[in-house]
Amino acid sequence: DTGVSQDPRHKITKRGQNVTFRCDPISEHNRLYWYRQTLGQGPEFLTYFQNEAQLEKSRLLSDRFSAERPKGSFSTLEIQRTEQGDSAMYLCASSLGGNTNEKLFFGSGTQLSVL
Amino acid sequence: DQQVKQNSPSLSVQEGRISILNCDYTNSMFDYFLWYKKYPAEGPTFLISISSIKDKNEDGRFTVFLNKSAKHLSLHIVPSQPGDSAVYFCAATRYNTDKLIFGTGTRLQVFP
Repeated sequence: DTGVSQDPRHKITKRGQNVTFRCDPISEHNRLYWYRQTLGQGPEFLTYFQNEAQLEKSRLLSDRFSAERPKGSFSTLEIQRTEQGDSAMYLCASSLGGNTNEKLFFGSGTQLSVL
Repeated sequence: DQQVKQNSPSLSVQEGRISILNCDYTNSMFDYFLWYKKYPAEGPTFLISISSIKDKNEDGRFTVFLNKSAKHLSLHIVPSQPGDSAVYFCAATRYNTDKLIFGTGTRLQVFP
């Protein structure tokens, strides 16, 4: 395992459909983060996990969004009833944890397009 | 409320010269700052960081300077190389929080 893996790389869906993304962090990393990036903007924090516990959620994360990390390893991010405004790059990152300033290792992202 | 600002969306520099990327922040509680580099179709990769107890950190061709009174940091790349062409994001965080606040990025192009 050489890095953070995200699947799929691209997703095109119709408005109103549900989508699910998967993230596999670096194996020894305890912390897993989800960020969203839109065109011309930097990544925006969505949520993060310490092992299987979801410790913080951004106000950006509406009720249509849910994230899980059931066994403290991989994570899924689901968006229900997608809207065109959900179109973005969804980035997953992981870190060792412990030191809150630990640098994050990002995956290549999932590019979501909602038609 | 943009707490971390990168006011220059793009920068073009000749190979071998110095590249200077700037970043301003508004939240005086930030105490740790990072620079990430992003190539197209890839996630951001960590480049260099600096704690608020320092005013300079150097790693090879990359140096980050922090001016706390001005709430300003800069990334210097010298000498610049064509492979440095990428989007550079400044990020900030506070001790005991676990999320990074990113700027909007600066696209650096290094031409021969």
